[in-house]
Amino acid sequence: GAVVSQHPSRVICKSGTSVKIECRSLDFQATTMFWYRQFPKQSLMLMATSNEGSKATYEQGVEKDKFLINHASLTLSTLTVTSAHPEDSSFYICSARGAAGATDTQYFGPGTRLTVL
Amino acid sequence: DQQVKQNSPSLSVQEGRISILNCDYTNSMFDYFLWYKKYPAEGPTFLISISSIKDKNEDGRFTVFLNKSAKHLSLHIVPSQPGDSAVYFCAATPNTGNQFYFGTGTSLTVIP
Repeated sequence: GAVVSQHPSRVICKSGTSVKIECRSLDFQATTMFWYRQFPKQSLMLMATSNEGSKATYEQGVEKDKFLINHASLTLSTLTVTSAHPEDSSFYICSARGAAGATDTQYFGPGTRLTVL
Repeated sequence: DQQVKQNSPSLSVQEGRISILNCDYTNSMFDYFLWYKKYPAEGPTFLISISSIKDKNEDGRFTVFLNKSAKHLSLHIVPSQPGDSAVYFCAATPNTGNQFYFGTGTSLTVIP
């Protein structure tokens, strides 16, 4: 099946610093990429949708100036958490939508665990 | 507004028995439905999907049933195995737009 990678898998940073997370579709071109956040024992919360070459669409309540999304190519999207604070600590997951074989679905990355001290 | 709902947060099943996970949706524009499996600290993995033109799709031990009139779908796992223990999310997408809408997940525990 299709593969989506995320880097880094785990990051620990000090409060006030910025953290960049990369999401790559390795064997297909993703028309759309999504960024999710998951709190412990809760569902996936969609943060934003990004299409290559255009601005990301943010969900209500998500600060676009804090969570910067860049979708530079059909295989790469980045999420930058600016001036991170402890409440931003979470598990961030990206996904890429594309057709791999006969199935049009979202393929998820392995996630990035962010811990802000 | 939760358009896709999984009303059972958890389910325990004996190994070898059938696991049935349920999902309800409210948006009649949804025309494609998917089930994902998720282990802790990992991204979700696609399991099986079904188009609204079908009412059943089977793949090995996994079968998804869709009841459009009731706006209900279910995932059947038979026989259940301990390795199936995970959180299962159902998702739906409309015939227009890009977004996938996820349920809140059901944590399945298969007891050896």
